[in-house]
Amino acid sequence: DSGVTQTPKHLITATGQRVTLRCSPRSGDLSVYWYQQSLDQGLQFLIQYYNGEERAKGNILERFSAQQFPDLHSELNLSSLELGDSALYFCASSVTPGSGLGQGEKLFFGSGTQLSVL
Amino acid sequence: AQKITQTQPGMFVQEKEAVTLDCTYDTSDPSYGLFWYKQPSSGEMIFLIYQGSYDQQNATEGRYSLNFQKARKSANLVISASQLGDSAMYFCAMRKAGTALIFGKGTTLSVSS
Repeated sequence: DSGVTQTPKHLITATGQRVTLRCSPRSGDLSVYWYQQSLDQGLQFLIQYYNGEERAKGNILERFSAQQFPDLHSELNLSSLELGDSALYFCASSVTPGSGLGQGEKLFFGSGTQLSVL
Repeated sequence: AQKITQTQPGMFVQEKEAVTLDCTYDTSDPSYGLFWYKQPSSGEMIFLIYQGSYDQQNATEGRYSLNFQKARKSANLVISASQLGDSAMYFCAMRKAGTALIFGKGTTLSVSS
């Protein structure tokens, strides 16, 4: 158990809908990362927050947004869903902001939310 | 731009044998970190081993070792004495300071008895 909690584990919804994925990082971790894993794209970095502030942005669509709350949990909002958004969405956490290098920078991943858009 | 390449989509090995999973990377930055993660069928991503670009020795963690060849930009994972529980997808990943971790496409390892 990595200590990172993601809910829900599975989500089935229809095109055009909006969903919210939730992540609680490991105790003490200030950074939260969101990744999308699909068969064709592999693991793609979406966005990172550190202590409530957006830290880095990757291949995140404009239809997607995220935030990190004062209690450090994070939510990823996906709207106007399309079939191609079906994927496994991971949250990961680390104690550091990611500005350095070293084993301490490793990410701890949650077990993911499997999103199916029908 | 950074890039990670894992050319072996699938590898097959018998129990107790050693196996090498290949990883090459591309970066012009001299300072970076290399990671390997394991993803079993249950889906979670498990950290295995880390190698820094300035580390003089190859990293080892139990049955895992990283064969780091900086000039060739390769960071192969060696698993010794394979076990049935090693069957999983393995991802090589890299990051530079201040950037997010980027992943290769992964290699599926199947261990048979």
